[in-house]
Amino acid sequence: IAGITQAPTSQILAAGRRMTLRCTQDMRHNAMYWYRQDLGLGLRLIHYSNTAGTTGKGEVPDGYSVSRANTDDFPLTLASAVPSQTSVYFCASSDSRFPYGYTFGSGTRLTVV
Amino acid sequence: KNEVEQSPQNLTAQEGEFITINCSYSVGISALHWLQQHPGGGIVSLFMLSSGKKKHGRLIATINIQEKHSSLHITASHPRDSAVYICAASGGSQGNLIFGKGTKLSVKP
Repeated sequence: IAGITQAPTSQILAAGRRMTLRCTQDMRHNAMYWYRQDLGLGLRLIHYSNTAGTTGKGEVPDGYSVSRANTDDFPLTLASAVPSQTSVYFCASSDSRFPYGYTFGSGTRLTVV
Repeated sequence: KNEVEQSPQNLTAQEGEFITINCSYSVGISALHWLQQHPGGGIVSLFMLSSGKKKHGRLIATINIQEKHSSLHITASHPRDSAVYICAASGGSQGNLIFGKGTKLSVKP
């Protein structure tokens, strides 16, 4: 089934630990994004990648890093988790060709304690 | 001022009612998206439109590019329509979406 797979679905993480959220798409979309969703703040862009081999910073990049070694995978790493990174994380991809459809993963609920 | 504004923030309706959610944006866009998120659930794309009107079942989305305004309508609403509806503009400098804060809809039986 075409779409985006995120893992894990949920995680409780001790502060200071390193964590990688995985995101894989099978639609051959060039662009991929990581967003975090927080109550009252909506969805905010963390990092993005317009094509394999390139990445960029979004609105709230501090404490996060990404890599884009190939078209399909776009992992998000928290080097040293802090409680303020408790959130729901969504990976998304978009087609760079018209009609520029957007697809979201099912999300990862992360709690940093 | 947010670049994408939605109203109302919360909406309660009785089953069968006609529902309208509004979205105004201040950025230049290539497309306007309407998304649906059920409690604890993922985000589903309902519509992507750059002009005119689209219809899917009981859902209708319209956009007025000159007025920078879009509406999402639900006809004959049903409790299963209860969800958060999010308006998002394709206009970010990185190709990202710019999101409204969402409208929480509750449809009572």
